Amino acid sequence: DADVTQTPRNRITKTGKRIMLECSQTKGHDRMYWYRQDPGLGLRLIYYSFDVKDINKGEISDGYSVSRQAQAKFSLSLESAIPNQTALYFCATSDPLAGAHNEQFFGPGTRLTVL
Amino acid sequence: TQLLEQSPQFLSIQEGENLTVYCNSSSVFSSLQWYRQEPGEGPVLLVTVVTGGEVKKLKRLTFQFGDARKDSSLHITAAQPGDTGLYLCAGIFRTGFQKLVFGTGTRLLVSP
Repeated sequence: DADVTQTPRNRITKTGKRIMLECSQTKGHDRMYWYRQDPGLGLRLIYYSFDVKDINKGEISDGYSVSRQAQAKFSLSLESAIPNQTALYFCATSDPLAGAHNEQFFGPGTRLTVL
Repeated sequence: TQLLEQSPQFLSIQEGENLTVYCNSSSVFSSLQWYRQEPGEGPVLLVTVVTGGEVKKLKRLTFQFGDARKDSSLHITAAQPGDTGLYLCAGIFRTGFQKLVFGTGTRLLVSP
């Protein structure tokens, strides 16, 4: 079984709709992250969370919100989706005690298309 | 804003050829990671380099960290179709939070 899972894997929606992407992990890591990937731009950080009570904005948080429901669950919401939010979204985890350089473990990704 | 530039952006080669991918920045990294991403999957960590001049080998892959810790390279010897994928470098520019900054990626296609 995968250590980091994301649902849904693919989603097509319309402009203005509210969308939630979910991430679950069984690695027991405290740190979780949401990234988006666009061709030619690499991965950009949207939000990150060090634990359930600690949530922080990344470099491109506008238009997104998150919820850390438990150590194992971190959800990303698009309150009112717009076409330029069409991208591949990745959830990742890390353990500062095990990885001295914040090495990250990624889920399989969610491909989101906003029409 | 720290930027990581990777080159080339795309590389298409025949099985058995050698190749090198570069990752460059104007800023100093405290450490740098290389990931490989296959279609439909998330990136998977290959290696972390920390010390200037460091060289690490992973089978046919050789990773080098520049002496000034501003650049890194990935060399693949005798590429195989299984090496096909997107290669991403990711640097940490300072201690503390250790936020990863990802490069733009190099897409490698190895044909039989």
